[in-house]
Amino acid sequence: RKEVEQDPGPFNVPEGATVAFNCTYSNSASQSFFWYRQDCRKEPKLLMSVYSSGNEDGRFTAQLNRASQYISLLIRDSKLSDSATYLCVVGTTRTYKYIFGTGTRLKVLA
Amino acid sequence: GAVVSQHPSWVICKSGTSVKIECRSLDFQATTMFWYRQFPKQSLMLMATSNEGSKATYEQGVEKDKFLINHASLTLSTLTVTSAHPEDSSFYICSARSNEAFFGQGTRLTVV
Repeated sequence: RKEVEQDPGPFNVPEGATVAFNCTYSNSASQSFFWYRQDCRKEPKLLMSVYSSGNEDGRFTAQLNRASQYISLLIRDSKLSDSATYLCVVGTTRTYKYIFGTGTRLKVLA
Repeated sequence: GAVVSQHPSWVICKSGTSVKIECRSLDFQATTMFWYRQFPKQSLMLMATSNEGSKATYEQGVEKDKFLINHASLTLSTLTVTSAHPEDSSFYICSARSNEAFFGQGTRLTVV
C-alpha cells in the first residue's frame, strides 16, 4: 500500500461546479498535511495547509479526518484557472520529509 | 515570502556526461533541503535529503554514487547526475523548508 494515495482522475467538471478530492495516508504518526497545486511542467505550490479543525480559504475548504486517515479538498464555484493537478502531501515532524500523493488532475470546462 | 531558486531550468546533455543542478534558498537559511524526481504522469518521489555540513541521506533505490549531493552552505545544495543516461531524463525539483516547503522551479533533464 502506498503511503499516500489519491485518485489520479482526471476530474472533468463544468465551470461553477463543486468538486471534492480525497487523499488517504497510511502512517498514523503523520502530523503535517497539505494540499499543493501543480501546473503542467511547473513546480508545486502550496495551496493550503490542513488543520485538525479544518480550514477554509475562499472557495477552497480542506479537512482532516485522523481516525480514518484521510484529508479532503473541496473546491466550490470552479474556475477555468483551477485546472491543475492537486497534490496531497503528508509529513512527519520526526523526519521532516514530505510524501507526495500521485496527484489528482482537475480540468474545469467552459 | 521565502523563495527557492533552482538552476538550470532545463538541460540537454549527451549520454555519459555529468550534469550539476543548483538549489538556493534566497531569503532564509536551510540546513535541510530535499531533492525530488518526477517522471511523466507520476508523483514527486523523494530521492534524498541534503544536510548542510554532513552526508546526504538517500532513499531506498537511489544510487548515491550516481546522484551526488553537496550541501556546502546554508543556502546552497547541488545535485550532480553523474554519467547520465536516457533513463535519467526526468524533472528534478529541490525543496527547502522554513515553516512550509518551498520548491525550486525544477530542472527538466533530457539525456540523449
